[in-house]
Amino acid sequence: ILNVEQSPQSLHVQEGDSTNFTCSFPSSNFYALHWYRWETAKSPEALFVMTLNGDEKKKGRISATLNTKEGYSYLYIKGSQPEDSATYLCAFMTTDSWGKFQFGAGTQVVVTP
Amino acid sequence: EAQVTQNPRYLITVTGKKLTVTCSQNMNHEYMSWYRQDPGLGLRQIYYSMNVEVTDKGDVPEGYKVSRKEKRNFPLILESPSPNQTSLYFCASSLYGQGLGYTFGSGTRLTVV
Repeated sequence: ILNVEQSPQSLHVQEGDSTNFTCSFPSSNFYALHWYRWETAKSPEALFVMTLNGDEKKKGRISATLNTKEGYSYLYIKGSQPEDSATYLCAFMTTDSWGKFQFGAGTQVVVTP
Repeated sequence: EAQVTQNPRYLITVTGKKLTVTCSQNMNHEYMSWYRQDPGLGLRQIYYSMNVEVTDKGDVPEGYKVSRKEKRNFPLILESPSPNQTSLYFCASSLYGQGLGYTFGSGTRLTVV
């Protein structure tokens, strides 16, 4: 089982502040990394699919970067809003584990007004 | 509407009584997968299927069976459920299994007493 780590486990952010958190993964045999947003009582929803070193993706106020050589991805939330409150999951797949995505335990973000 | 449909949403059963959780997708996705989610552990992959009649074990397959006789359906079978299979289960599908992100079902909360 590959070791995908997310940090911090949780964070509290004031409305309007920006924040970021990390997904770390083994750097060898990288194939793809996904970010998901998971709101309470709902299903995880895909945010980004990242495959190339140096990839940067953006969706509204949320963006992500990818460094496959050092094995990490950052997710940024700019100007946090209460509706950004959710658990953010990353999932990782290698070239030698086709079809097997390993999920991190998630970073829970709570945005307070 | 494009979706993954899981049934039932909630299930309480007794140890040893065989059960099936159904999963169906209407997006013509080749790839389907089952995950279980337990507190602090993130999503762990049980089984996945790259196409009809092709299934493979994930990280925690013990105690589960699956079948993929049709492209749209991927049922999860617990032949003899035990209390340690009490969990939240998600079915997910994707077009190619790597590049487009998963679409998740709404989840099945299973309690085995």
